[in-house]
Amino acid sequence: GQQLNQSPQSMFIQEGEDVSMNCTSSSIFNTWLWYKQEPGEGPVLLIALYKAGELTSNGRLTAQFGITRKDSFLNISASIPSDVGIYFCAGHRSNDYKLSFGAGTTVTVRA
Amino acid sequence: GAVVSQHPSWVICKSGTSVKIECRSLDFQATTMFWYRQFPKQSLMLMATSNEGSKATYEQGVEKDKFLINHASLTLSTLTVTSAHPEDSSFYICSAAGGRPNTGELFFGEGSRLTVL
Repeated sequence: GQQLNQSPQSMFIQEGEDVSMNCTSSSIFNTWLWYKQEPGEGPVLLIALYKAGELTSNGRLTAQFGITRKDSFLNISASIPSDVGIYFCAGHRSNDYKLSFGAGTTVTVRA
Repeated sequence: GAVVSQHPSWVICKSGTSVKIECRSLDFQATTMFWYRQFPKQSLMLMATSNEGSKATYEQGVEKDKFLINHASLTLSTLTVTSAHPEDSSFYICSAAGGRPNTGELFFGEGSRLTVL
């Protein structure tokens, strides 16, 4: 699928700091999804967004579906060591479940 | 969320042999499953869409005779890497559609790491 523009590519942060990453696209999506992947594992769904402007939280995670439907961001508040991993955004716009993925943001947390 | 399981989680094989990877949806029926390939520090690359009871749809550049996909039931899809070579070594991940209709929610298996010697 079409590649989304995800940034930053990597982040090195101190424990307790907040993390923010975003994805943009030149095309409109109907659903935005955020996944986390740990080494040697498959991606795990964190948050799914279905409506433009929607703001959804899952514990310390907050994600928003951009009003233009072409972007989304993910925030992690008060990071902890287990937040380490690669975070992927994904967009969906058709009826066939096919997703377009961002390149991923690698998060490293220093204690 | 829905549970998708892959087996084996890792496999080492000799060049020229074939390897089969299974993907199962454990608590839901998946009419559509996807197979991805992932290289180190890269995103997921879609290889093919597996539809229950019909032929898989392959992405451009993916050899269908090399990567055989079978989706014989609503809970099982298999990927067979035929005549594997070292360049086929990679992390293979499957996913299944288990969310609300047409929302795009996909649930992923744990991945299978293939190493071809």
